[in-house]
Amino acid sequence: DTAVSQTPKYLVTQMGNDKSIKCEQNLGHDTMYWYKQDSKKFLKIMFSYNNKELIINETVPNRFSPKSPDKAHLNLHINSLELGDSAVYFCASSQGPSGASSTDTQYFGPGTRLTVL
Amino acid sequence: AQSVAQPEDQVNVAEGNPLTVKCTYSVSGNPYLFWYVQYPNRGLQFLLKYITGDNLVKGSYGFEAEFNKSQTSFHLKKPSALVSDSALYFCALGYNFNKFYFGSGTKLNVKP
Repeated sequence: DTAVSQTPKYLVTQMGNDKSIKCEQNLGHDTMYWYKQDSKKFLKIMFSYNNKELIINETVPNRFSPKSPDKAHLNLHINSLELGDSAVYFCASSQGPSGASSTDTQYFGPGTRLTVL
Repeated sequence: AQSVAQPEDQVNVAEGNPLTVKCTYSVSGNPYLFWYVQYPNRGLQFLLKYITGDNLVKGSYGFEAEFNKSQTSFHLKKPSALVSDSALYFCALGYNFNKFYFGSGTKLNVKP
């Protein structure tokens, strides 16, 4: 069974479109994250949710909006896609019953490669 | 300011030789340090972490890392490298309640 899954694995779209990436974890974790990995492999956290509540919101354009319908799911919606949004987006989860604890091990999904043309 | 650095973009080592991937950090307060590995076209996988206690931490696949407070380092080591260890390695720093950063990554190439 896949612990953290993401769909789709690849996403190719035109500038200006709106798209969503879905993430699900079956680990029973309370905290989920979205990361962006650019072409140079630099990894940066975007958002973190604990029990459906936003707890980390880094400097990210407001075109990016996370949605957590329940603690097992954290979806990422992106409006008005731009060329610079092309990257690999990783979802992750951690135990974090008290929030995104900086001592928790994170479990990553396989990534979604987004290409904006 | 809090930060984590991986000074080497790439490390090359021959199979069977010991390997070291370097990581240094800067933090006010207690650091929580992690190593993750990313194989091509895959997500990151946890290798090991230091939270408190013994400075030498043993992790998955025969890897270990030593927390050195005086040198503010957390280098990843393995006594004998395998070709299958070739991957991208990330050091990560956690601090305060919910802050963490990933390093820029080091590509490890193990040649037969």
